[in-house]
Amino acid sequence: NAGVTQTPKFRVLKTGQSMTLLCAQDMNHEYMYWYRQDPGMGLRLIHYSVGEGTTAKGEVPDGYNVSRLKKQNFLLGLESAAPSQTSVYFCASESGGRLDEQYFGPGTRLTVT
Amino acid sequence: AQRVTQPEKLLSVFKGAPVELKCNYSYSGSPELFWYVQYSRQRLQLLLRHISRESIKGFTADLNKGETSFHLKKPFAQEEDSAMYYCALGGGGSYIPTFGRGTSLIVHP
Repeated sequence: NAGVTQTPKFRVLKTGQSMTLLCAQDMNHEYMYWYRQDPGMGLRLIHYSVGEGTTAKGEVPDGYNVSRLKKQNFLLGLESAAPSQTSVYFCASESGGRLDEQYFGPGTRLTVT
Repeated sequence: AQRVTQPEKLLSVFKGAPVELKCNYSYSGSPELFWYVQYSRQRLQLLLRHISRESIKGFTADLNKGETSFHLKKPFAQEEDSAMYYCALGGGGSYIPTFGRGTSLIVHP
């Protein structure tokens, strides 16, 4: 099992460019999450999904869109990148029970200049 | 609204000293609490969860519902414990997971 993987690992964008981050999990998990990690701010939830075809907003959804067309994949899109979106992005998944732990991907380091 | 507070951004101790990383939570229901650890440039991974009441790598955490706390403790810190620690209120079911801002633990030799 690869667990949770993220593509790409690093990316540099110019302001206004768009990109999509891909998260894939092979654990048949129902729930998937996108977080951003910033110094002093910890982990903040951007969007999440409780199953294929569903998405919902988290704490900091503005400037991002997501899609969950397949159960194993959760895509995070930036339509028009801004310097404030410079961050490390983590994807996570869990089976969906209240006692379940989250499994995290290795992260994507994004810099917007 | 649910909230997790980790009051210390940084905790610096010497090897062999006791460690306590504080975590307080706010949640109206019955909480499910976790501690995650992130070693340098690695992904977050579960350290322990309150329901299992276990000790992992010498760390323990007790849920105190009266004080709404879930502090992480270790009697004798090791250099390899240096990492970022996140307290989290569990997700799944009908609510959204909430993470604290994290505490960076540095253990000096």
